[in-house]
Amino acid sequence: DTGVSQDPRHKITKRGQNVTFRCDPISEHNRLYWYRQTLGQGPEFLTYFQNEAQLEKSRLLSDRFSAERPKGSFSTLEIQRTEQGDSAMYLCASSRDIRQFFGPGTRLTVL
Amino acid sequence: DQQVKQNSPSLSVQEGRISILNCDYTNSMFDYFLWYKKYPAEGPTFLISISSIKDKNEDGRFTVFLNKSAKHLSLHIVPSQPGDSAVYFCATPSGTYKYIFGTGTRLKVLA
Repeated sequence: DTGVSQDPRHKITKRGQNVTFRCDPISEHNRLYWYRQTLGQGPEFLTYFQNEAQLEKSRLLSDRFSAERPKGSFSTLEIQRTEQGDSAMYLCASSRDIRQFFGPGTRLTVL
Repeated sequence: DQQVKQNSPSLSVQEGRISILNCDYTNSMFDYFLWYKKYPAEGPTFLISISSIKDKNEDGRFTVFLNKSAKHLSLHIVPSQPGDSAVYFCATPSGTYKYIFGTGTRLKVLA
């Protein structure tokens, strides 16, 4: 069963450093989403790709955040100049219809 | 501006009894709703959905009810099992690609 995978599962970094996360969606899914989840909250939408095209970005996605999905396969989410407020679980999901399938997430801790 | 609200952060139910999880929304234009279940250290997994043209959808032990006039939906789990202990999120597509999630309800099923 090849579900959505994310790497790394955990990342600890110092404030000001850059970090990059990877998401490998289910292979036949053309839709890919990034979410951020903090304690006591539900997942918050960050951005959406249909194939390689980034079609929507949340206002939560500041200019320090960038996401790519080259060739419409895996996706990367980069955070530049990390801040303590970036500490959260970053979730990736993929879909081919209205149901989204989530990966296990990458937990980011910014010291 | 919380457009999808889950007002009960936690719920405890005896094994074998019914669990009822509630969700309220503010926008009458929302036309599809989903429930996700999340175990610790895992991403959310899709559970059941309902279209706004229906008022009930059932899948095994899980039933979702939609009351459009009250802008309220509920998830019923009967009978509840210890393995159902998890955090449950309701979610809805807002616009074409963006999904909005509630803050979640932590269900604990007592053996």
